[in-house]
Amino acid sequence: EAGVTQSPTHLIKTRGQQATLRCSPISGHTSVYWYQQALGLGLQFLLWYDEGEERNRGNFPPRFSGRQFPNYSSELNVNALELEDSALYLCASHSMGRKETQYFGPGTRLLVL
Amino acid sequence: GENVEQHPSTLSVQEGDSAVIKCTYSDSASNYFPWYKQELGKGPQLIIDIRSNVGEKKDQRIAVTLNKTAKHFSLHITETQPEDSAVYFCAASQPNSGYALNFGKGTSLLVTP
Repeated sequence: EAGVTQSPTHLIKTRGQQATLRCSPISGHTSVYWYQQALGLGLQFLLWYDEGEERNRGNFPPRFSGRQFPNYSSELNVNALELEDSALYLCASHSMGRKETQYFGPGTRLLVL
Repeated sequence: GENVEQHPSTLSVQEGDSAVIKCTYSDSASNYFPWYKQELGKGPQLIIDIRSNVGEKKDQRIAVTLNKTAKHFSLHITETQPEDSAVYFCAASQPNSGYALNFGKGTSLLVTP
């Protein structure tokens, strides 16, 4: 069974630009979570999508947004990039049978210059 | 919101010794407590989890204990091996937030031969 996949693996942007990150959940999983892992700040919950809808968001500004497509894959968009947005962005998915258990992808490393 | 504290931040043990990592949480509504292992350049990998209706769970060399009254849970790794070297994260979640994970700051474990 293929795991959670994310693309691209690395992304370099300049301040003020927009970044788009992509995630495909494990086959059969309908929920996608996004987390930010910034140096010194640990892993922080960003967004949760389930059945195409945003269900919950963490303590992040509105310039962090996303969507979930009918095939349950997801995009995370970060607008007006700031230097502090440099981080590893992780996507996780869970199954209907065990909603609490999340499996992570390898992440996208975003560098804002 | 939920606050998860994790100690120690770094831990060095000799191969064959045991390692213990401790976490505390603040929200009594949290009822699911996973542990993740993250190796350099990879996403977090679920290694063991425990639900609030269970006090202890074991999987080969890894065990987790939970004290709901004191709001703390611990990871125990016995007979450590060099490949156990990684960063370990504890987390807590609850159904009210869709099981969004609240992570501890992580423990960097080094197992020396």
